[in-house]
Amino acid sequence: QKEVEQNSGPLSVPEGAIASLNCTYSDRGSQSFFWYRQYSGKSPELIMSIYSNGDKEDGRFTAQLNKASQYVSLLIRDSQPSDSATYLCAVNWSGGGADGLTFGKGTHLIIQP
Amino acid sequence: ETGVTQSPTHLIKTRGQQVTLRCSSQSGHNTVSWYQQALGQGPQFIFQYYREEENGRGNFPPRFSGLQFPNYSSELNVNALELDDSALYLCASSEGLADSSYEQYFGPGTRLTVT
Repeated sequence: QKEVEQNSGPLSVPEGAIASLNCTYSDRGSQSFFWYRQYSGKSPELIMSIYSNGDKEDGRFTAQLNKASQYVSLLIRDSQPSDSATYLCAVNWSGGGADGLTFGKGTHLIIQP
Repeated sequence: ETGVTQSPTHLIKTRGQQVTLRCSSQSGHNTVSWYQQALGQGPQFIFQYYREEENGRGNFPPRFSGLQFPNYSSELNVNALELDDSALYLCASSEGLADSSYEQYFGPGTRLTVT
């Protein structure tokens, strides 16, 4: 059974601080990794994608991938109250897409003003 | 650029009925995937359509079926509705299987309630 694990939270972070969200996955052969943000009652919105080991930065967001440890994380710098949402980690196992994306249950992030 | 659209927004059905949900993919995207998201859970992969053919399927029974049309829009059909089918149904489109980036973009979803 291929699984994606996330701490459900809630994770509470003061405004302006760094929020760190973590995700582990079970299949060492996984190809692609994604972070989605989902506001309550809305659909998931793609924030970051990462495919190779190391860091990838986009504005206030940094995704980190360590395939040896089967670990992917998302850092949010200078956290804002508008960042309060559920963050979903998703993994594409096959690279060709036939398995779809496998999602974790999400981490509920609260940014406290 | 037009994003992914879905209809209807909300739907209430009775157990045993059948339902059809619709999705229009983002401009330039030829692959559509469907997901079911129960409350408090991450989305679960139902199936994917690429160039009008089902390309992959998750752990869902045959009463979940779909279609993709030549314009790459798609339908999800669910027969013999059960109470547990109550969920948010999400459609996601992507540029295609050959694209190594394989980024999927979600529509707003259809909230289905089965009573």
